[in-house]
Amino acid sequence: EVQLVESGGGLVQPGRSMKLSCAASGFTFNNYDMAWVCQAPKKGLEWVATISYDGSSTYYRDSVKGRFTISRDNAKSTLYLQMDSLRSEDTATYYCARQGRPFDYWGQGVMVTVSS
Amino acid sequence: DIQMTQSPSSMSASLGDTVTITCLASQDIGNYLSWYQQKPGKSPKLMIYGATNLEDGVPSRFSGSRSGSDYSLTINSLGYDDEGIYHCHQYYEYPLTFGSGTKLEIK
Repeated sequence: EVQLVESGGGLVQPGRSMKLSCAASGFTFNNYDMAWVCQAPKKGLEWVATISYDGSSTYYRDSVKGRFTISRDNAKSTLYLQMDSLRSEDTATYYCARQGRPFDYWGQGVMVTVSS
Repeated sequence: DIQMTQSPSSMSASLGDTVTITCLASQDIGNYLSWYQQKPGKSPKLMIYGATNLEDGVPSRFSGSRSGSDYSLTINSLGYDDEGIYHCHQYYEYPLTFGSGTKLEIK
């Protein structure tokens, strides 16, 4: 059974950093591109970033370029999102997703609240 | 960026009805269009991919279609379990984008 389990969310002050993790199981992690998708409270879904199956390519939405870094450790079957210089508008639930056809499996989500 | 204009934003329908939700792509996306269902407090669930392909385990009451730049999700024989928010999504090119969502209520 495919499972994606996020961790690392919580309350953080504006300008500070936070790192999210997503532990994957039930599939061959290094065969798939992986992504982070967020959803602000009562809002729609927004794609945040994608990393290729081998980590060689990364893609970001404009609003997080230069502030967020997506990475992966295939030996640990774990996806990461390093979020720096956080802003109040980054407040959202962040989902880890397997980018199969295209987002065929999602984690349960982790809430990130950016507030002083 | 490719804009996905989704309509309606909300709708209410009765048990057994047939409903259609539509997304208009601002430029060509081929058939790189998927639909997700999201229940309150839950993560999205893939329903349709490639514009018309039903994900494994999704009831055949759900179907997807395309007419030019218009993509539609149709749900036949509505049941209470179909209540939720439906999102369209283009994965033709980066940045990947979603529609604004359609909230479906079953009367």
